[in-house]
Parts: sequence; C-alpha cells; structure tokens
Amino acid sequence: SQQGEEDPQALSIQEGENATMNCSYKTSINNLQWYRQNSGRGLVHLILIRSNEREKHSGRLRVTLDTSKKSSSLLITASRAADTASYFCATEGGANNLFFGTGTRLTVIP
Amino acid sequence: SQTIHQWPATLVQPVGSPLSLECTVEGTSNPNLYWYRQAAGRGLQLLFYSVGIGQISSEVPQNLSASRPQDRQFILSSKKLLLSDSGFYLCAWSVGGARETQYFGPGTRLLVL
Repeated sequence: SQQGEEDPQALSIQEGENATMNCSYKTSINNLQWYRQNSGRGLVHLILIRSNEREKHSGRLRVTLDTSKKSSSLLITASRAADTASYFCATEGGANNLFFGTGTRLTVIP
Repeated sequence: SQTIHQWPATLVQPVGSPLSLECTVEGTSNPNLYWYRQAAGRGLQLLFYSVGIGQISSEVPQNLSASRPQDRQFILSSKKLLLSDSGFYLCAWSVGGARETQYFGPGTRLLVL
C-alpha cells in the first residue's frame, strides 16, 4: 500500500511550543501533501512538496522531505490554540487519486 | 473562485433505507471528483473517484455506488444502508490527477441506526 502513516498518532503541547509530526510512505512519489482537519470539518490543504524539494516553508509551517528515507515532517512553530486539529499527509495512490495517512491529532493547550 | 457544496450536513437513517448524498462544485470545469469516508478518529478511505461525466472508479467493493450525471455533480448512493455505513463522508475535487491539491467539502455525517 502507498498509504502514508503519521507519527505520533496524538500530540499534546503547550501554546508557544513547536509541534513536529512525521509521515512515512512506502514507494516512490512525485510529491507529498499535508492537510489539516478541524474536528467535524473537511480537510484543508496546507502545503505540497515535490520530490526534488527538501524543504518548504509557509508561514509558521515548515515541511521537509527525505526521499531516501521515504519520510516527511511537518513542523508548526510557535503553536497556537487554533492549531488544534488533525494533520494528514497524502501521497499519490495512482494517476488520479491520493492516499491519506491516519493522521496526527494535535492538541495545543492555551 | 471555486466552491464545493455537500448536503445534507447531517443525516440519520435506519438500517436498510436508501441513501443519496450530493456534492456539487462551482467555478471550475471538468474537475476530478472524489468521495471519501472517514470513521471516527480515523484516516480517510477513498470510495470512488471520477475523471469525467459517467466515469466512475471504485476503490472499495461495498454496497455503495457513485454517479456523475453532470460535470460538477457527484452523487453517492446506496439501496440499503448497513450499520457499518455510518461515518463522515467527504467530497473533494481537484484540477487534475494525483499530483494536484484536493479541495474538500464540509462533509456529511451519516448515522445509521
């Protein structure tokens, strides 16, 4: 299966701390995406990193990709209570679809 | 700008009853469309995707079906719901294939009793 797996499954931190989530996958990819889901809502795209990129930034988000280890990490710096959500990585499942991981549930305590 | 709509937002149905969930997209043409199911606290399971009108690919065999009668309309159906069909159903669209970002609707929470 191409499905990504996030680690840890759950993460609880204090506001202001950094949060790091990891994603591992099994086969070669062209890109990897990270999504966020607030409880009971749809997913929102955060960032896409291509296989020839090693690091990408967007605001307080930093994503790294190590294709040799088939892994990616999402770092949220200076976390806020509003960052509380589930975070998913997604990789190509075929020509037209994505495989989503099981997600990391992040809780940021005010 | 593009928007995606799903309805209803919440649905409670008895076992054995039929189901019809609708998803429509505005502001784009010929999108790829997707139906996912998410069990409580779990990841997304791809159910169906469509690259064009009348073209449906099924990822998981089950008692659900999908149809795309119009370019920007995607319907998820069942003739007889099972208890195991309960979950959060998400529709999404993208401009292309697996290399592209997917944009999700707000979801439909289905409870089968």
